[in-house]
Amino acid sequence: GEDVEQSLFLSVREGDSSVINCTYTDSSSTYLYWYKQEPGAGLQLLTYIFSNMDMKQDQRLTVLLNKKDKHLSLRIADTQTGDSAIYFCAEMGGSARQLTFGSGTQLTVLP
Amino acid sequence: DAGITQSPRYKITETGRQVTLMCHQTWSHSYMFWYRQDLGHGLRLIYYSAAADITDKGEVPDGYVVSRSKTENFPLTLESATRSQTSVYFCASSEPGMNTEAFFGQGTRLTVV
Repeated sequence: GEDVEQSLFLSVREGDSSVINCTYTDSSSTYLYWYKQEPGAGLQLLTYIFSNMDMKQDQRLTVLLNKKDKHLSLRIADTQTGDSAIYFCAEMGGSARQLTFGSGTQLTVLP
Repeated sequence: DAGITQSPRYKITETGRQVTLMCHQTWSHSYMFWYRQDLGHGLRLIYYSAAADITDKGEVPDGYVVSRSKTENFPLTLESATRSQTSVYFCASSEPGMNTEAFFGQGTRLTVV
């Protein structure tokens, strides 16, 4: 099975908050990441959190980490149509610090 | 132009043909990676390289070959393409370290018919 799991789809109304959830299995992961992929484009790093943190806020983005449950979430406040994209959570591990990605969550923002 | 570029952006090939996807980065990053993206699977690591002439297998290496004779280039070759290799391929690069950002190319959409 997948090491990192996410739900595939999320729809929200413009102006509402979006919460994208992720679970991971590698308890030794020191950094966890959120990447954004817009249609036809590569992945862009949105934000990351160090494993000894519970929360990180960066403008409209809030990352919550529950290390005990291995649960990571990304909250986007005041979601806009430009936030429509696929969001990937990823954990870093291995000798090359390679990323292991979840399946991605397609966020659709409705007007 | 600075950055990481992949070529071609789109490719259609026939089953059994050899095809090479190119990846070039201008930062002299040590690490380079090849991922494939498939619906429901996210991105899965095919191969990675820690430096020139050092490569290693990722999660799904079968049917692929890589080389890295120069730091800036990391081509991915499908020796005999199969339909199951139809996918979007992403190259990425990063510096070593615990929290370094991985930079991704725009992707190559490969269709094997």
